This record gives sequence, C-alpha cells and structure tokens, in this order.
Amino acid sequence: NAGVTQTPKFRILKIGQSMTLQCTQDMNHNYMYWYRQDPGMGLKLIYYSVGAGITDKGEVPNGYNVSRSTTEDFPLRLELAAPSQTSVYFCASSTGLADPYEQYFGPGTRLTVT
Amino acid sequence: LAKTTQPISMDSYEGQEVNITCSHNNIATNDYITWYQQFPSQGPRFIIQGYKTKVTNEVASLFIPADRKSSTLSLPRVSLSDTAVYYCLVVLNYGGATNKLIFGTGTLLAVQP
Repeated sequence: NAGVTQTPKFRILKIGQSMTLQCTQDMNHNYMYWYRQDPGMGLKLIYYSVGAGITDKGEVPNGYNVSRSTTEDFPLRLELAAPSQTSVYFCASSTGLADPYEQYFGPGTRLTVT
Repeated sequence: LAKTTQPISMDSYEGQEVNITCSHNNIATNDYITWYQQFPSQGPRFIIQGYKTKVTNEVASLFIPADRKSSTLSLPRVSLSDTAVYYCLVVLNYGGATNKLIFGTGTLLAVQP
C-alpha cells in the first residue's frame, strides 16, 4: 500500500491565483481530512469527509473548498490565494474507529503565496 | 474536548529514557489519550493510545494514573532519530466523524549524541 499520497510536494503561487492540492489514499478509508500547519504550530483542521459525497468544515475552512467524488480522492481547492495561506498542507485518512483512533498522514504540500 | 498542556521542549542524550508528561485536567469519561510523533517535513505519525493504567507497544509506553488528569509518554533508550515533536491529544471513544484531532504545539524532543 502506498498509504496517503499528496501532490505537488511544493508550490509557489502568486496572490489571487488558484490551485488544487491532490490527495489519494489506497486503504479504503471512509474518513479523510485536510490540515494546515503554520511554522512552529500544531495542525489545524480545514475540512473533513466521512465518505464519498459528504464533506464538512473544520476549524479554518475560509478560502478553501473540497469535494469527495470517490473514496480514494479528496482534493483541496484554493481560490484567490492569499499570503495568509502560506503553510504546509497535510491530508490524512482513517477508518473512523475509536480504538485506536489512528489517522494516517500524507507527506505534505508546502505552499508559498507571494 | 479536553485541552492538553505539555512542555514546549525537552533535551536528552542517546540511550536515556525520556518521559514526556501531558496534563489534561478536563478529560471526560469517554476520552482516550493519544500520542503522535512528527519529524521535520513529515506528517504526524500515531505512536500509542490508552484509556487508563499502562499501555506498551514496540516503540513506547503510556502511563495513565487513576484520576486520568495527566499521562506520561515514555520512550526507552532514545536515539538521535527520536528527535521530533510529540503531540498529546484526547479523542472521544466512540469514533466517527466528530472524533477530531485537536493539535497543540507539542513537545520538541532534542536528542543529543
């Protein structure tokens, strides 16, 4: 299993541009998540999904959109990029079971908006 | 969800046992205590989870006293490769979509040779 994969690894955007961060998992997990991590900080939840066709907002959803058309894929869309969206973005997936409550994280996408 | 408090950083030497304590005074009856490890430029990785007493796996032990207001992650004989940020989190024990991970700033463990 490849686990959770993310593309691209790095990206530089100009202010106002848009892009989609890709996330794919091959573990047949129903639950998928997008986080952002600013320097020296913990992760903050942007959006999550409990299955294909179902998504919901996390702590910091403004400026982002998601979709979940398949179990495997959970892309994150940035519209009108702003410098405040400069961060490292992590996608994760889980079975949703409580014991253990384990989320599997991808390697991250480092995004810079200038 | 219960708020957790842990030291910002800790230093250790190779071969020592490291204990990282986390405080979670408002933990609810249904909450588990979970620890994640994050290396630089990588996503967090699950280490261990417990509810009470002691849990041990191949990489760590987790000690939880009877009042469950704190917990201690124990890493035996650390090596340089254990240098990472360690996060203590509480999660609800019924799983599902509402069972979100709330990350604080974690504890940066620096292992010296």
